Amino acid sequence: GEDVEQSLFLSVREGDSSVINCTYTDSSSTYLYWYKQEPGAGLQLLTYIFSNMDMKQDQRLTVLLNKKDKHLSLRIADTQTGDSAIYFCAEYSSASKIIFGSGTRLSIRP
Amino acid sequence: DTAVSQTPKYLVTQMGNDKSIKCEQNLGHDTMYWYKQDSKKFLKIMFSYNNKELIINETVPNRFSPKSPDKAHLNLHINSLELGDSAVYFCASSRSDRVGYHEQYFGPGTRLTVT
Repeated sequence: GEDVEQSLFLSVREGDSSVINCTYTDSSSTYLYWYKQEPGAGLQLLTYIFSNMDMKQDQRLTVLLNKKDKHLSLRIADTQTGDSAIYFCAEYSSASKIIFGSGTRLSIRP
Repeated sequence: DTAVSQTPKYLVTQMGNDKSIKCEQNLGHDTMYWYKQDSKKFLKIMFSYNNKELIINETVPNRFSPKSPDKAHLNLHINSLELGDSAVYFCASSRSDRVGYHEQYFGPGTRLTVT
């Protein structure tokens, strides 16, 4: 079946790195995504990784993919208050649709 | 310069009423979607249209009827609204070619409250 799981909450200190983890079940997934949702707003595609890659870096964001364990992570370096949001992990499944995780609410403490 | 827009942003209505939500995209995409996000932020696809044709129809009550008058628009009509329909509804769009098919762009959402 298709399932994407992630922890619901993460709290980090401003300036530290945030690491949000995700597991998925569909081994046929071609793309895996991280979306960001700020309060009262829609989802914004942050970054994605193709399934034949292990890592992708984009400025403060680093995505790591362990295909064997079906584990995806998002690292945000030097976390800022503007990074407070809900982060959704998602996969493009073999059924040609995007399956979203439940979202991880990232809060930043001073 | 809005990419994916939805109207209205907020919709409050009573049980039993019929309402519509409109979505428009100016990205030149040929595939559009409706998602439902519940109070726990769980997001699930409802429908997908490609070139005005329905291609994904998840297990959604037939009170929900999407309509796509052209590639740039996908509207959602809901009949006989129920309390459980209260949610945020997101429209999204993407290309269908082999490069852009998987990148979906989301609208700002329509918060529907049924009382």
